Amino acid sequence: EVQLLESGGGLVQPGGSLRLSCAASGFTFSSYAMSWVRQAPGKGLEWVSGITEITGSTYYADSVKGRFTISRDNSKNTLDLQMDSLRADDTGVYYCVKGTQNVDFWGQGALVTVSS
Amino acid sequence: QTVVTQEPSLTVSPGGTVTLTCASSTGPVTIGHHSNWFQQKPGQAPRALIYSTNNKHSWTPARFSGSLLGGKAALTLSGVQPEDEAEYYCLLYYGGARVFGGGTKLTVL
Repeated sequence: EVQLLESGGGLVQPGGSLRLSCAASGFTFSSYAMSWVRQAPGKGLEWVSGITEITGSTYYADSVKGRFTISRDNSKNTLDLQMDSLRADDTGVYYCVKGTQNVDFWGQGALVTVSS
Repeated sequence: QTVVTQEPSLTVSPGGTVTLTCASSTGPVTIGHHSNWFQQKPGQAPRALIYSTNNKHSWTPARFSGSLLGGKAALTLSGVQPEDEAEYYCLLYYGGARVFGGGTKLTVL
């Protein structure tokens, strides 16, 4: 059974940093690209970032480019998202997602709140 | 900035058929956009329905189908059930970056 378990969410002040992690199990993690998707309260889905399976090439939405960094550790089956210079409009639920071109499984999400 | 547009809302009767569409501001949607479709119900994480334009996941009900229609990606529900009431999102691939549509709220009434 595929499982994606996000951790690291919480309350942070504007300008602060937070690191999200996703523990993956139930599939060969190193064989799949991975993504982060977020959803602001009451709003739609926004693709945030993706990383390829082997070369680790990374891609970002314009809204987070230069502030967020995606990374993966294929030896530990983990996916991370380092979020710096956080703003109020970064508030939302962040989902760890299996795949980039073709998406199948989603985690339950981690809530990030950016507020003073 | 690329914008992906969906109908904000649609209403369908139980047992009916409805088509949701997904348009790209860059031009016609093609198989190269690898369109994906997702269903989200209140308080839940999204669930994948369709990938690469018209491929179903093992859990996708047979009444859901994906296609390209008039330069847009399309999701058709045939024989709509009350439990299909939900928000539906499309996702398009742009050679690295991905962009979601704004979502369609489907009401079954």
